[in-house]
Amino acid sequence: QSVLTQPPSVSGAPGQRVTISCTGSSSNIGAGHDVHWYQQLPGTAPKLLIYGNTNRPSGVPDRFSASKSGTSASLVISGLQAEDEADYYCQSYDSGSRIFGGGTKLTVL
Amino acid sequence: QVQLQESGPRLVKPSETLSLTCTVSGGSISSSSWSWIRQPPEKGLEWIGYIYYTGTTNYNPSLKSRVTMSLDTSKNQFSLKLSSVTAADTAVYYCARDTRGYNSFDIWGQGTMVTVSS
Repeated sequence: QSVLTQPPSVSGAPGQRVTISCTGSSSNIGAGHDVHWYQQLPGTAPKLLIYGNTNRPSGVPDRFSASKSGTSASLVISGLQAEDEADYYCQSYDSGSRIFGGGTKLTVL
Repeated sequence: QVQLQESGPRLVKPSETLSLTCTVSGGSISSSSWSWIRQPPEKGLEWIGYIYYTGTTNYNPSLKSRVTMSLDTSKNQFSLKLSSVTAADTAVYYCARDTRGYNSFDIWGQGTMVTVSS
């Protein structure tokens, strides 16, 4: 059971917009700790998608955006593409440890 | 650009110590902090700990009693030792670079699968 809760799966058609939520608590996201997001394509290492709640590393398309409010955060993928099909993880900090959400599998219909 | 590569035994016996090394290329290890993260088969990610280039360490409290990290600046490498392993330690182990100024990981190795079995 992860400290950060994500929906196990989401889906969307090409071109659509999908949102992946990450729900924490007052000891992690609610305490002001940053939220980061990763994309893990099948059989590969995770890739940093968003850091510091809203920042995209160089090379990440602006179709990917994120926000944080209260004890939750969200990743939004606009203009969904087939290559976006992957697992997505949120990550934050709690009680001396960096913590991950359980992951969300995105299926592009 | 900076690249990371994990190396070490793929099979470890129960109760023994898992040892992995991460080699940093394309940049200096003496400029950041470096983490280990693992992912059991078909499961999510778990942060193991980090080591700063000064040698300062910080471990996941749930693994702290079994984890030791070290680094060798002359070889541009850092290492992980996990003692008293069980089948629950079977996972893909990733080394990663910590994002400067943040608790995130901006560069990852490709990962290495370690199986604990007799």
